[in-house]
Amino acid sequence: NAGVMQNPRHLVRRRGQEARLRCSPMKGHSHVYWYRQLPEEGLKFMVYLQKENIIDESGMPKERFSAEFPKEGPSILRIQQVVRGDSAAYFCASSLQTPSSYNEQFFGPGTRLTVL
Amino acid sequence: GDSVTQMEGPVTLSEEAFLTINCTYTATGYPSLFWYVQYPGEGLQLLLKATKADDKGSNKGFEATYRKETTSFHLEKGSVQVSDSAVYFCALYSQGNLIFGKGTKLSVKP
Repeated sequence: NAGVMQNPRHLVRRRGQEARLRCSPMKGHSHVYWYRQLPEEGLKFMVYLQKENIIDESGMPKERFSAEFPKEGPSILRIQQVVRGDSAAYFCASSLQTPSSYNEQFFGPGTRLTVL
Repeated sequence: GDSVTQMEGPVTLSEEAFLTINCTYTATGYPSLFWYVQYPGEGLQLLLKATKADDKGSNKGFEATYRKETTSFHLEKGSVQVSDSAVYFCALYSQGNLIFGKGTKLSVKP
């Protein structure tokens, strides 16, 4: 069974460019979570999505960041007009059931974004 | 808000040494508690968990006990191996979200 897939693994962008991060959940999982890990920090929740719906985006910066999880294809985290402070590791996780009680989230290997 | 505090790293130990990584939490109610491990270049893997007070989670020789009275969930292993070198994250589950500590990097020398 393939685990959670993320690509690219490493992404370099110049200030002002756009970054697109992709996440394919585990087979059969319909819930996706995005987390950001800044240097020397723990993971911070950004957004929780189900197919075609954003359920909780309380951790998402209000500007320049957006996420989607279309009916077909991977979940996309999009960062417009990147700045150096966006440099971080971005992790995606997926789960099988709704998080009303905890169901294990399985994490991908992450995308390491570097903004020059 | 809810939060997790874990001991600062890095921690460097010799093989077969005893490991303790402290973790305390602040939360309303009684959250589920977790330890995740991140090996170099990989994503996080669930190491162990405990869902209620006095529960002990264990896996791969690691243990942690949910202590409500001290709001703690310290990670322990009696004899570490080189292959245990990784970053360890304490986390709690609250209101639909996982909240992580900053992580503790463990290096085990032969």
